[in-house]
Parts: sequence; structure tokens; C-alpha cells
Amino acid sequence: GEDVEQSLFLSVREGDSSVINCTYTDSSSTYLYWYKQEPGAGLQLLTYIFSNMDMKQDQRLTVLLNKKDKHLSLRIADTQTGDSAIYFCAATGLSGSARQLTFGSGTQLTVLP
Amino acid sequence: NAGVTQTPKFRVLKTGQSMTLLCAQDMNHEYMYWYRQDPGMGLRLIHYSVGEGTTAKGEVPDGYNVSRLKKQNFLLGLESAAPSQTSVYFCASSGGQNEQYFGPGTRLTVT
Repeated sequence: GEDVEQSLFLSVREGDSSVINCTYTDSSSTYLYWYKQEPGAGLQLLTYIFSNMDMKQDQRLTVLLNKKDKHLSLRIADTQTGDSAIYFCAATGLSGSARQLTFGSGTQLTVLP
Repeated sequence: NAGVTQTPKFRVLKTGQSMTLLCAQDMNHEYMYWYRQDPGMGLRLIHYSVGEGTTAKGEVPDGYNVSRLKKQNFLLGLESAAPSQTSVYFCASSGGQNEQYFGPGTRLTVT
């Protein structure tokens, strides 16, 4: 089955860019997602990229996909203290009609003032 | 729209007790999911449903049962709670697109 991996922690200074990385194993993954979880809350969908795209930009967020290396990254420009949260990468493959997601273990982003 | 709601928000059980977690969505989504979240392990799929009256096992189904009698509701049951089931439980739903929408979570402690 699919395996999704992320580093556990990342610290950046306010105003710097953050880059959160993710690798996945299933080359047939069709959609790749980034979710944000703030303390005590559920997961909020930030953005997603379809597997036939290399890059997607949405305001301060840039998603890069390297299908050859099965590597996904999320760049947050001008990182703010409000961006401190856990970020989850998730992938979905051709699992019939179930649309199941496989999640990474999450990257805790800490933004230092 | 309320989106995805979960009740209760918190619960403490003794080992061997039973309980039901309720998930409700008002987006007319066909697909619904139950996950558990444990530190350092991301989210793991317990059970899911692809439509009213259907259920299927996910990655970690043992010790849990589910029912989807109405399209908008997805119930997760623990028949005999164990300390290993201490976790945060999230419900999610998905419609025509592949993205999933999550509820706020239920924090369950089994002593």
C-alpha cells in the first residue's frame, strides 16, 4: 500500500519562507494534498495538486511535485506566527471508489518571532 | 452550513465500557470516514462508507464498528473500550471532488 513520509519538525523565523517536504511511494497517486491542523482543531484543507501538474501556486502557498522522485513540497512565503501548526501531506491513489487518503505523520511548524 | 460535526467533543471511559461517536454532515456527501490520530502517527483510517447503508474496513478496524443508516450520519461504536483506544477521533466526508472535509474531533480517554 501507499506510504507517505514527512519530517516531524521545522522551525523558521517570522518573515522567512518555510518549505515542508513529503515523499510518497505509490506512483499511481492521482491527488496529493496539504492539510493544516491547529491545536485542538480538525484538519483544514490548504491546497491540493493533481498528478499531471508540476506546480501550483495559491497566494503565499506554492506546491511543487516531482513525480519522478515521488516528492512533494509546500512552500509558505513570508511565514507568519499564525502559520504555526501541524501540516499533513496526504495522497490518494486509484483505490476504486473509496477515495481513501494515506496521511503522513505531520510536520510541526514553529514560527519564531 | 455547519459542515462536519462530531459529538461528543470529549469523553472518558473505563475499560470495558461501550460508547458511540456520532458524525453528521450537511453537505450531501456520499463518502464518510472515521480516523484516529495518535502522536507521531498521522491519521489512520478505521472504517469508511461509500454511501448510505454501506460500510467497509480501513487500516485499523479491530475493536470498532460503524453504521451508516442515514446518508448524513456515520456512527462509530466501541463495544468494549480498551486503553489502546485512547486517541483523538476524526470524522471526514467527501463529495464530488476528492478532498475530504474534517470534523473538529473527539478526544477519548480510556482508563
